[in-house]
Amino acid sequence: GIQVEQSPPDLILQEGANSTLRCNFSDSVNNLQWFHQNPWGQLINLFYIPSGTKQNGRLSATTVATERYSLLYISSSQTTDSGVYFCAVGKGGGADGLTFGKGTHLIIQP
Amino acid sequence: NAGVTQTPKFQVLKTGQSMTLQCAQDMNHEYMSWYRQDPGMGLRLIHYSVGAGITDQGEVPNGYNVSRSTTEDFPLRLLSAAPSQTSVYFCASRYPWGTQYFGPGTRLLVL
Repeated sequence: GIQVEQSPPDLILQEGANSTLRCNFSDSVNNLQWFHQNPWGQLINLFYIPSGTKQNGRLSATTVATERYSLLYISSSQTTDSGVYFCAVGKGGGADGLTFGKGTHLIIQP
Repeated sequence: NAGVTQTPKFQVLKTGQSMTLQCAQDMNHEYMSWYRQDPGMGLRLIHYSVGAGITDQGEVPNGYNVSRSTTEDFPLRLLSAAPSQTSVYFCASRYPWGTQYFGPGTRLLVL
């Protein structure tokens, strides 16, 4: 199956800092999504981004499918950004399961 | 819309007991799936369904059964619970090429 590697595994930043999270995957994919799991365990979808670039407020993401990686950018971090960020990919015809990476654990300190 | 709902929120079982984790969605999504989350392991796919009457196995299907009789519901059955099945279980739904939405999770402890 597809291997998904996320880096860094842990990241501690001060409020207001910027960060870049990386997701590498081992095969071609046609589905890639980023999720945020908050400290209460809730999983929220951030981006559906199999290719290209998207922005939503302070967050943006870029996927370069030909080079098999995706980046999630967080600007002007806030304490509410703390949690675990997961990248998940799929390669079937939209009808397969998503394979998740192990996540990046982000802590934003006030 | 309620989105994706799961019951119960928390459950304690004894080894060998069986139970069903319920999942329902009101977004008319064809695709539904079950994941388990263990510390340091990310989320691993247990079973998924692409529509009523159609199910398939994911990465870690052993010890679990599923069925999909309606578009809305996708229950997960533990046949004979084992301590290794202690985990947090998440149900999710989406359109085949769309954003995936997760339920709030069920925390299961098997003694």
